Amino acid sequence: DAKTTQPPSMDCAEGRAANLPCNHSTISGNEYVYWYRQIHSQGPQYIIHGLKNNETNEMASLIITEDRKSSTLILPHATLRDTAVYYCIVRVPQTGANNLFFGTGTRLTVIP
Amino acid sequence: GAVVSQHPSWVICKSGTSVKIECRSLDFQATTMFWYRQFPKQSLMLMATSNEGSKATYEQGVEKDKFLINHASLTLSTLTVTSAHPEDSSFYICSARDPGGRTGELFFGEGSRLTVL
Repeated sequence: DAKTTQPPSMDCAEGRAANLPCNHSTISGNEYVYWYRQIHSQGPQYIIHGLKNNETNEMASLIITEDRKSSTLILPHATLRDTAVYYCIVRVPQTGANNLFFGTGTRLTVIP
Repeated sequence: GAVVSQHPSWVICKSGTSVKIECRSLDFQATTMFWYRQFPKQSLMLMATSNEGSKATYEQGVEKDKFLINHASLTLSTLTVTSAHPEDSSFYICSARDPGGRTGELFFGEGSRLTVL
């Protein structure tokens, strides 16, 4: 299973864009990139996912490089409530979670 | 969106007692649910896969006789921590996939914090 590498922590000023990188150099052709976040003492929350095209929803944008070896999650206007640990995960959809590997994630702190 | 709910959200028990945690899919049927454990400042670790109507599949190193999983219906899975000890204190999280939802994302419960005294 492809694993991911993320920086352990990042800071972002409130109102600015938060850009969270993720490396997944061993991703296979049928694996999607998923992003989840976990606010302290809560269960993870789904944010966005994509295969190879850039994706955008009401929460964030996902930019995937052409070779698919890395991606960036963008929170366009970070708020204090976006402070959380962000997990980048690669997996084949519609399969069991035994290939859903949560790495250490990136702890994003939004600063007032 | 799909909702997964856990109960209780927190529980304190004495060492040697058993504790049951429930995981429910509120607006979809889940043939498979997943149980995770998370220690402070660590990531989620998959414990087991709960299959409706059959035995759960446990990850390596997880004691199946200690962490009993029952998935009796398409909307309910339970995790029972038997003869709990202080080292079992942790944040337990369940998840499920909505088969009718968007491509493959998992929905997670709110988590249940277990403290064993």
